[in-house]
Amino acid sequence: DIVMTQSPDSLAVSLGERATINCKSSQSVLYRSNNKNYLAWYQQKPGQPPQMLISWASARESGVPDRFSGSGSGTDFTLTISSLQAEDVAVYYCQQYYSAPLYSFGQGTKLEIK
Amino acid sequence: EVQLVQSGPEVKKPGESLKISCKGSGYTFTNYWIVWVRQMPGKGLEWVGVIYPDDSDTRYSSSFQGHVTISVDKSITTAYLQWYSLKASDAAMYYCARTSGGAVAAPTPYWGQGTLVTVS
Repeated sequence: DIVMTQSPDSLAVSLGERATINCKSSQSVLYRSNNKNYLAWYQQKPGQPPQMLISWASARESGVPDRFSGSGSGTDFTLTISSLQAEDVAVYYCQQYYSAPLYSFGQGTKLEIK
Repeated sequence: EVQLVQSGPEVKKPGESLKISCKGSGYTFTNYWIVWVRQMPGKGLEWVGVIYPDDSDTRYSSSFQGHVTISVDKSITTAYLQWYSLKASDAAMYYCARTSGGAVAAPTPYWGQGTLVTVS
């Protein structure tokens, strides 16, 4: 099974500052035949279901603010929030779907305001 | 508009059976995989299993295999997650989600609102 490990587990950032969350997979999630990374990022606010922000490692979902960006390839990925807003307080998860139907999520990173 | 509407909260006793549902609308139900995800109180997301409504092809996480059953009723565009004998450790929020495309190897942009299962 592919194990997803996020770092840090929690993060406190000042409003307007950059937030960076890392995700590492135990094996590559890059599918060579189409050069796509099978990696998504989700945001979950209290009392709500997860919302997908990024798919294919760097493709932002429609309606997601452009301060959210995803990068990385192979086994190492990053979610960056360029200028933290109060409404970005949430738990963030990475997910691989390379080995689907054996999906797996990272343990989550809790983002707070400093 | 794609919607996944889940059944309401449940309170059960250990040993009881339970079947929760996820009704899809706004798309061709048989063409996309439905994924079930567990979230225990204060914890992260865990993949439970997945089903393809067209042919009921079903796969389970090894952590849940043998303890839950996933099924679908195409006629009413509804997927189900079922337990025959609940344990206290099954208490959690359960979400259904739909893949973005017809392939199983796809992200899940659409989520239900969740069903809270209490076992006590």
